[in-house]
Amino acid sequence: DTAVSQTPKYLVTQMGNDKSIKCEQNLGHDTMYWYKQDSKKFLKIMFSYNNKELIINETVPNRFSPKSPDKAHLNLHINSLELGDSAVYFCASSQDPPSGNVETQYFGPGTRLLVL
Amino acid sequence: GQNIDQPTEMTATEGAIVQINCTYQTSGFNGLFWYQQHAGEAPTFLSYNVLDGLEEKGRFSSFLSRSKGYSYLLLKELQMKDSASYLCAVRAGSNDYKLSFGAGTTVTVRA
Repeated sequence: DTAVSQTPKYLVTQMGNDKSIKCEQNLGHDTMYWYKQDSKKFLKIMFSYNNKELIINETVPNRFSPKSPDKAHLNLHINSLELGDSAVYFCASSQDPPSGNVETQYFGPGTRLLVL
Repeated sequence: GQNIDQPTEMTATEGAIVQINCTYQTSGFNGLFWYQQHAGEAPTFLSYNVLDGLEEKGRFSSFLSRSKGYSYLLLKELQMKDSASYLCAVRAGSNDYKLSFGAGTTVTVRA
């Protein structure tokens, strides 16, 4: 069974369109993330939710809106897509660690977005 | 902001050893992670250091010196399948789980 899954795997769309990417984890984790990896392979955090509550919101255009219907799902909606949005978007999840410990993050397979 | 530096590329021969260095300057420190990412795939967790010293896991070891803001990942007995990008990531905060990643080091293993 896939631990962290994303759909779609590939997304090709026109500038100006609105699109959504979905993420689901079956690990029972409390925290989920969205990362963007650009053409230079830099992986940057965008958002993080803990038990459906937004806890990390980096400097991301407000065209990007995350939604967490429950702690197993974190979706990303992008309005008015721009050329610069072309990248690979990774979802990840982790468990709330015991106090003083750190828990690793598990990544989904990525969604390759190409804006034309 | 957080600054995490690692070399862009390294090449080594099958069976050899390669050491990938990572230096960091962050607002805080609460752990350093190494991830492996094969081309077109997701990053996968390799190792975690929060105290100074060496952590060994089979052919892979990771070292941390907090006073120097320095870590390395050591890959021994290199295999062709080790050709990948290796990402150094630091968790700077204590109240959130945000990881700041370096740009990654692409390791190419040659026969």
